[in-house]
Amino acid sequence: GENVEQHPSTLSVQEGDSAVIKCTYSDSASNYFPWYKQELGKGPQLIIDIRSNVGEKKDQRIAVTLNKTAKHFSLHITETQPEDSAVYFCAAGGGTALIFGKGTTLSVSS
Amino acid sequence: NAGVTQTPKFQVLKTGQSMTLQCAQDMNHEYMSWYRQDPGMGLRLIHYSVGAGITDQGEVPNGYNVSRSTTEDFPLRLLSAAPSQTSVYFCASSYNPGGEKLFFGSGTQLSVL
Repeated sequence: GENVEQHPSTLSVQEGDSAVIKCTYSDSASNYFPWYKQELGKGPQLIIDIRSNVGEKKDQRIAVTLNKTAKHFSLHITETQPEDSAVYFCAAGGGTALIFGKGTTLSVSS
Repeated sequence: NAGVTQTPKFQVLKTGQSMTLQCAQDMNHEYMSWYRQDPGMGLRLIHYSVGAGITDQGEVPNGYNVSRSTTEDFPLRLLSAAPSQTSVYFCASSYNPGGEKLFFGSGTQLSVL
């Protein structure tokens, strides 16, 4: 089955800096790669997703890149703000289930 | 529009007790799923359903049962609770049959003593 590895587990940045979170997946059949943000005490919320036929997707300050050959994808957050502090999860899927990484706790200090 | 509603929000059980975690969605989504979240383990898929009458196992199905008699509801049953089932449980739904663009509920925090 699919296995998703996510790094780093924790990330601390200064406000205004960029943050990058990386994930690798094992199943070459996976074709859908979303990113979720989870704030304290809440359920995860989809922030951006990408399909395997696209190499990069951007939405304001966040972007996701995908390298199918290397089986890895990354989340990029530019101009970080304190409200970006949360746990971020990557996931991979494309059949009937999404498999998640273990999460990255992002802390943005002002 | 309530989205995905989970009840209860908190529950404490004794080892061996049974209970049902409720999940309901009002978005007419065919796909529903249950995940558990443990510290350092991320979100792990327990069971999922692609429509009424259809369920399948995820990564960690042992100790849990599900059924899907209606589109709206997808309850998760613990037949004999164990301390290893102490976790936060999330229900999620999607209009996509592959589970893409999941909408998550706010979670149920379960402690088994």
